[in-house]
Amino acid sequence: QQQVKQSPQSLIVQKGGISIINCAYENTAFDYFPWYQQFPGKGPALLIAIRPDVSEKKEGRFTISFNKSAKQFSLHIMDSQPGDSATYFCAASNSGGSNYKLTFGKGTLLTVNP
Amino acid sequence: GAGVSQSPSNKVTEKGKDVELRCDPISGHTALYWYRQSLGQGLEFLIYFQGNSAPDKSGLPSDRFSAERTGGSVSTLTIQRTQQEDSAVYLCASSQGDVNQPQHFGDGTRLSIL
Repeated sequence: QQQVKQSPQSLIVQKGGISIINCAYENTAFDYFPWYQQFPGKGPALLIAIRPDVSEKKEGRFTISFNKSAKQFSLHIMDSQPGDSATYFCAASNSGGSNYKLTFGKGTLLTVNP
Repeated sequence: GAGVSQSPSNKVTEKGKDVELRCDPISGHTALYWYRQSLGQGLEFLIYFQGNSAPDKSGLPSDRFSAERTGGSVSTLTIQRTQQEDSAVYLCASSQGDVNQPQHFGDGTRLSIL
């Protein structure tokens, strides 16, 4: 059972455009939703995270939008740059649990063309 | 400061051999996680440590997999009698162990079983 579904699998955007990646979750106990960025040969790095008490969080060019009723959240990358080309993973965890383990989506390979 | 360190970065071994993968977490981080990343897949949770104890081993795929943590610091993931399906990148992450504290990942060990 895949608890976090991520789409699209791959995305090509022109420089300066907006990249949008979507995730949907099933477990209503999830209450922490981070996004990770991963470059080839490197480990995932935390980009931005949100809790469901807010509907949107913005950090620089990166914004998370959260829809609790729909159990969906998305990452928007404004003014996308070639340096943003990487694989992006959404994740979720339950802070009411005992271990805070992350459940990940399968990733989106983003390519930003110059 | 130093991040999460994993060794070796690459490991090639023959089917049936045992392998040990090492993780040095960020100093002071009480929580430590192992994840597995297969080609084209997201990250799959394997095991969680809080201090030296492992309250959640639910992600270990078989009894060939085991892990330990000593001194509340270094952790070793051991795979016995390796199979080709064990080929993957094994990632370690650490966090301060509190609610919604970000997990910081190492760059992983790329394991190839011939």
